[in-house]
Amino acid sequence: GESVGLHLPTLSVQEGDNSIINCAYSNSASDYFIWYKQESGKGPQFIIDIRSNMDKRQGQRVTVLLNKTVKHLSLQIAATQPGDSAVYFCAESSGAGSYQLTFGKGTKLSVIP
Amino acid sequence: IAGITQAPTSQILAAGRRMTLRCTQDMRHNAMYWYRQDLGLGLRLIHYSNTAGTTGKGEVPDGYSVSRANTDDFPLTLASAVPSQTSVYFCASKRQGAGGGEQFFGPGTRLTVL
Repeated sequence: GESVGLHLPTLSVQEGDNSIINCAYSNSASDYFIWYKQESGKGPQFIIDIRSNMDKRQGQRVTVLLNKTVKHLSLQIAATQPGDSAVYFCAESSGAGSYQLTFGKGTKLSVIP
Repeated sequence: IAGITQAPTSQILAAGRRMTLRCTQDMRHNAMYWYRQDLGLGLRLIHYSNTAGTTGKGEVPDGYSVSRANTDDFPLTLASAVPSQTSVYFCASKRQGAGGGEQFFGPGTRLTVL
């Protein structure tokens, strides 16, 4: 079956630096691509999504880039803070109206003070 | 209640026993979902419901059943638990008509089947 996956399982970043988390996907028919943040012991929390017909979308301190040519998704976090330490999941949404999510395995981001 | 609540927080269950995980939301979201999260893996969809009275199967539905009698509640039942169902279970919901990928997740239920 088609899947969503991640290039790097762990990432350590100095506080104040920018973080880049990458993801490869294989289902070209997905409507949306999404990033979720999961802190230890908690449920996933939505960060940002991007529609399949867009290349870039910015939020507060975060930017998602979508490269459909190479089926690549990335999350950029500006000025990384200790509170950004978490596991980040990319996901894709499909299923005509039901918006079912297919998640990747996750990348753990550790911020070094 | 604010958002999504799940009960119990954690449970240890003997194999073969029946167990219902509860999920309640107060956001009047039409769509609801159940996921399981295993160590080293991302979340996998078990069942979903687009609206009260309807349900559908996700990626890993075997051994689980759901019902959606009303908008707020979406219980997940394990009819006869097996050790491979040891996992953390998350319930989620989504606003009707909202495109995109934003789902709201509950705090999870940690289930251990012995």
